[in-house]
Amino acid sequence: AAGVIQSPRHLIKEKRETATLKCYPIPRHDTVYWYQQGPGQDPQFLISFYEKMQSDKGSIPDRFSAQQFSDYHSELNMSSLELGDSALYFCASSSGRNSNQPQHFGDGTRLSIL
Amino acid sequence: KQEVTQIPAALSVPEGENLVLNCSFTDSAIYNLQWFRQDPGKGLTSLLLIQSSQREQTSGRLNASLDKSSGRSTLYIAASQPGDSATYLCAVSPVTDKLIFGTGTRLQVFP
Repeated sequence: AAGVIQSPRHLIKEKRETATLKCYPIPRHDTVYWYQQGPGQDPQFLISFYEKMQSDKGSIPDRFSAQQFSDYHSELNMSSLELGDSALYFCASSSGRNSNQPQHFGDGTRLSIL
Repeated sequence: KQEVTQIPAALSVPEGENLVLNCSFTDSAIYNLQWFRQDPGKGLTSLLLIQSSQREQTSGRLNASLDKSSGRSTLYIAASQPGDSATYLCAVSPVTDKLIFGTGTRLQVFP
């Protein structure tokens, strides 16, 4: 079965640079979520989209922005990168909002800031 | 503010043992609870989802129970195997869709 696809798998950037992470949800899933997992930490919710509209917002810095496109894929844009942004970034998708469907996670993008 | 705690933080057992992992949450107003496993440096694999109106869910050797009123869930793993070694995370979904994760239990099953 098709899973959530994230790209790139690994990304190395320097401070103050920008980065774009991409997420392709499972086909027919209309809801996308972004999470950040720091070293040794549990995943923290950043932002979610349902039917291309932002549906919820968590602890996402103002330097980050995201959107969901007409084909339901999503991109997380990160600017003025800081050392503390080094983390594993997960995208998850599900079918419907408040539908009690499980969230399915991608393998993540490991972002390292030098 | 919802807080999710998992006990124990780490567990090392010989192969074949039956295990119980615990998850507790402070706000009983949840939509559902989901259990995941995470292998080192990998993504999260969904194991079981329990809706707030349900008491338990089963999948193979895994059984998860939910007592919403007391803010507790347990994941029972029967006849553990070395391949079960991973970090197990529980996550609750409040009235919105986002997941709030627990601190995780690192499980090691040795032959």
